[in-house]
Amino acid sequence: GAGVSQSPSNKVTEKGKDVELRCDPISGHTALYWYRQSLGQGLEFLIYFQGNSAPDKSGLPSDRFSAERTGGSVSTLTIQRTQQEDSAVYLCASSFSLDQPQHFGDGTRLSIL
Amino acid sequence: ILNVEQSPQSLHVQEGDSTNFTCSFPSSNFYALHWYRWETAKSPEALFVMTLNGDEKKKGRISATLNTKEGYSYLYIKGSQPEDSATYLCALSPRGGSQGNLIFGKGTKLSVKP
Repeated sequence: GAGVSQSPSNKVTEKGKDVELRCDPISGHTALYWYRQSLGQGLEFLIYFQGNSAPDKSGLPSDRFSAERTGGSVSTLTIQRTQQEDSAVYLCASSFSLDQPQHFGDGTRLSIL
Repeated sequence: ILNVEQSPQSLHVQEGDSTNFTCSFPSSNFYALHWYRWETAKSPEALFVMTLNGDEKKKGRISATLNTKEGYSYLYIKGSQPEDSATYLCALSPRGGSQGNLIFGKGTKLSVKP
């Protein structure tokens, strides 16, 4: 597709379960980013990948959060043992390089019961 | 941690009015300043990326300026239209961190009444 694709668009799960969120970036974009927006808060950086470099994980809020990017393309964000405070919209973005504008997907709305 | 402040928090204007809002930051020590437009139920859309003091960018009726010496960027909308209603986000990637680590402000929510 032409844009950044995220799935699922909505996810409702019980506290304590693991979830996987998927992001398919724009073809040719070397940089891929994950953000989240909790209710009433601004966009919060989580992690980004750039080419073959080690990812910048400095925004991940706890060791329950991890992400990988396979083959320099699709990325999955995994949250283990979900907590209610993990409820948020998780956005993925990609760009040609780090100094270029980021193109965002429509996000995954995660609700933890 | 670099704090990105946006003002006002929200703004209501009439169709045809021109408007502007501010992104302010305490330090010029960053790689780039980004502006994004986020309409309800859509994904954020990139407007501008600026790096140099004095940079001015324009896209249709929307323009932006950057003043790194005094620590602000302005976003201007000329002749606002209802379709301009959105939240406008400013973000910086601070030096001392990695270039892809964007710190976002909380945004200015613009509502344009027909």
